Parts: sequence; C-alpha cells; structure tokens
Amino acid sequence: QSVLTQPPSVSAAPGQKVSISCSGSGSNVGSDSVSWYQQLPGTAPKLLIYEDNKRPSGIPDRFSGSKSGTSATLGITGLQTGDEADYYCAAWDRSLSARVFGGGTKLTVL
Amino acid sequence: QLQLQESGPGLVKPSETLSLTCTVSDGSISTSTYSWDWIRQPPGKGLEWIGTISYAGITYYDPSLKSRVTISIETSKNQFSLELSSVTAADTAVYYCARLESATYFHYWGQGTLVTVSS
Repeated sequence: QSVLTQPPSVSAAPGQKVSISCSGSGSNVGSDSVSWYQQLPGTAPKLLIYEDNKRPSGIPDRFSGSKSGTSATLGITGLQTGDEADYYCAAWDRSLSARVFGGGTKLTVL
Repeated sequence: QLQLQESGPGLVKPSETLSLTCTVSDGSISTSTYSWDWIRQPPGKGLEWIGTISYAGITYYDPSLKSRVTISIETSKNQFSLELSSVTAADTAVYYCARLESATYFHYWGQGTLVTVSS
C-alpha cells in the first residue's frame, strides 16, 4: 500500500485529455513539492513535472501539474499513442523522513 | 549531459548481501547542490525509494529497509554504492540510481540493473 494514492489506470482517446490524481497527506503532498515521472515500458523513469507545476526543458506543454492541499494532479492534453506509459508521483514525507512514490497509474490511449 | 550507470552482480543468493555501484559521468558527485539516491522496482510493480546520500555523507533510508541498507559515497571515484543485506526473493527488482535536485526531484536516472535473488 503506497503512501501516495494514484488510480491504477486511466484511459482516453487520441487527442483527448486526461488527469491523473495523487492523493497524500499533510506530511507529504501538503508540505513538500510533488514531482511526476513517466515510465515507458522497459525504460527508466523520466521527469515530467517538478516542484508541483514546472516542466523540464524538452517536456511539451501538453503536460501540466497542479496541486491543491494534499492532492496533486498531472494533466495531459492532446493525447498521443506515445503517451501510453506508467506515471508516478513522488514527494518527501516529513513524518517518515523518507521519499514516497505513488503506486503508479497506467495510461492507455485507446 | 550527466550520466549515471549502475553496476554489480545480477544474481545474489538468499541471505547474502546485494552490492551495487553507481558511476557518475560528465559531472561531479562532489557538490552540495545534489544528493544521490537508490530506487528499485520489483517486476511488474511500482517504484520504491531505498535511500539517499548527500555529498557530506548524510543518509536517509526507507524505514522498511533501514536495518538492512547502507549507502556510501566515494568522491574520489565519482561513485556511490548500495549494500542490502540478508536479501530474500522479495528484493528481486530493477535497481536504479538517480540524482536528487533541489532536494525534491530526480532529473537524471541510470538505466537500471536487474538483480535477481535466487539460489
């Protein structure tokens, strides 16, 4: 059972938009920056969003991040088949003194 | 561009110690700006944080692994290492090393190395 809760799966058609939630508590999401990672099959995770809503260089603006209270959200617009991947959120948990990941969300682009 | 590369045995016997090294290239490990982390992923499962070490050698470990984990840093070799003792089949996973930036996010990752625990 992960400290951060994500839906196991989401799906949408090409061109549509999808949101992936990451629910935590005041000791993690509510008090620390959230980052998001994309993991394509058989590859290492790739940073998509850092410090809640910032995109690294090279990440298209189709990807966005937001946070409100103890929940964070990754938004993806203009879905492409190449976006099919697992997505993870992460944050520092000050009660555990440990970094915690969400359980991951598998995105299917139908 | 910074590169990280994990190395170590791909097969470890139960009850023995898993040892991995992460070599950092095209960048120095000796900077207070970053920390260096180990993360693992059991087959078909999600990411699990193992622990982190700063340039100064300050470490934090996942509470569930703390009694079995040691992360160390060797600045002269631009490497950091992971030791996980008393392994069981549950420790079978792809192990990644990564650089932690601004104490909040992982921008650079190694490609990962599969470690199987089996007799």
